[in-house]
Amino acid sequence: RKEVEQDPGPFNVPEGATVAFNCTYSNSASQSFFWYRQDCRKEPKLLMSVYSSGNEDGRFTAQLNRASQYISLLIRDSKLSDSATYLCVVNQAGGSYIPTFGRGTSLIVHP
Amino acid sequence: DAGVTQSPTHLIKTRGQQVTLRCSPKSGHDTVSWYQQALGQGPQFIFQYYEEEERQRGNFPDRFSGHQFPNYSSELNVNALLLGDSALYLCASSSQTGLSVKTQYFGPGTRLLVL
Repeated sequence: RKEVEQDPGPFNVPEGATVAFNCTYSNSASQSFFWYRQDCRKEPKLLMSVYSSGNEDGRFTAQLNRASQYISLLIRDSKLSDSATYLCVVNQAGGSYIPTFGRGTSLIVHP
Repeated sequence: DAGVTQSPTHLIKTRGQQVTLRCSPKSGHDTVSWYQQALGQGPQFIFQYYEEEERQRGNFPDRFSGHQFPNYSSELNVNALLLGDSALYLCASSSQTGLSVKTQYFGPGTRLLVL
């Protein structure tokens, strides 16, 4: 089983739709979690951190479920500009804190 | 304020050759991490340099080596290139040696194609 798994998609949704992605991780001792956005042929950029209590940033909501070992990203009122690949990142524990990226989920928002 | 810069932007090599990629960190940053991103995959951590030493290393063979200079810039060297080394190589800089990825700023990457 991969350390961090994501459905690669693509998720094809109309403007204004609500879409959610999940990401599962295998190491129960993982310490910190993030969502990154990567546009085509560009570098990844931090979208938001994911906290146990859940956090929201405008149209974006991130949740962490430690019991089931997954994180989620919800995007409300999708915009064309939300089209990108969304990478989940888990900082592994055990002293090294090496970040592990999922393969990313592709989102296409169409008019 | 220049962000993270990488050179070259694109590179084509043949199997067995050696390649050197370069990275200049964001102003004020002293730590450089390198990642390999194969097509359709997420970035994979290669190693991190701080104070001119390799501080952490991911699961990559010894063919992958690096260096950090006193001005904090860094090089990634790959020897005996394989077709599977074709990827986008990302450099990320940060201002401390902690590996929390959220403190890292990524450069635009170098696209390496091995034929």
